[in-house]
Amino acid sequence: DQQVKQNSPSLSVQEGRISILNCDYTNSMFDYFLWYKKYPAEGPTFLISISSIKDKNEDGRFTVFLNKSAKHLSLHIVPSQPGDSAVYFCAAFDGNQFYFGTGTSLTVIP
Amino acid sequence: GAGVSQSPRYKVAKRGQDVALRCDPISGHVSLFWYQQALGQGPEFLTYFQNEAQLDKSGLPSDRFFAERPEGSVSTLKIQRTQQEDSAVYLCASHGGLSSYNSPLHFGNGTRLTVT
Repeated sequence: DQQVKQNSPSLSVQEGRISILNCDYTNSMFDYFLWYKKYPAEGPTFLISISSIKDKNEDGRFTVFLNKSAKHLSLHIVPSQPGDSAVYFCAAFDGNQFYFGTGTSLTVIP
Repeated sequence: GAGVSQSPRYKVAKRGQDVALRCDPISGHVSLFWYQQALGQGPEFLTYFQNEAQLDKSGLPSDRFFAERPEGSVSTLKIQRTQQEDSAVYLCASHGGLSSYNSPLHFGNGTRLTVT
């Protein structure tokens, strides 16, 4: 049973606009959430994270929002750049294991 | 080392052959994870080590899969009598452990295994 879900397999956004990637989870024991970016033939690279005691964390163009009541996580990228085109995975940690979504492929159109 | 290193990057095996995949974690990272990633999917947990102790191997798909980390550093994932369904990317990741609780996993570039 998938505990972390990314329901959009793909997303296309115009350069300069905002990209919003969504993630839902089912386990209320998750207390740390992460986003990873993956280019072809490379391993996932850590992008940004958020602890469950916060509802927002920002790092440059990347902001992660956490809505614990809705068990929903989102990543905002603004402004989007062509180099942001990659597969993005959300992940959640329960103190023992990390659980990953199936990924969203983002294409930023120049 | 600076990052997690995995070798080989690519492995082609004939069905029935045994393979061994190596992972060299970030120096000082006590936790090491192995994941399997099929095409179009996210990383799926296989097994987890804390130092040399294998604390969880619930994700290993069959008894043909075996992992070890004898000295608490380098780890090897071994697959015996490979089958076509074993074809996937095998990712290794390391973590600082409980002392670095809210810190990310760091991944290697993976080994792409193709069983023909």
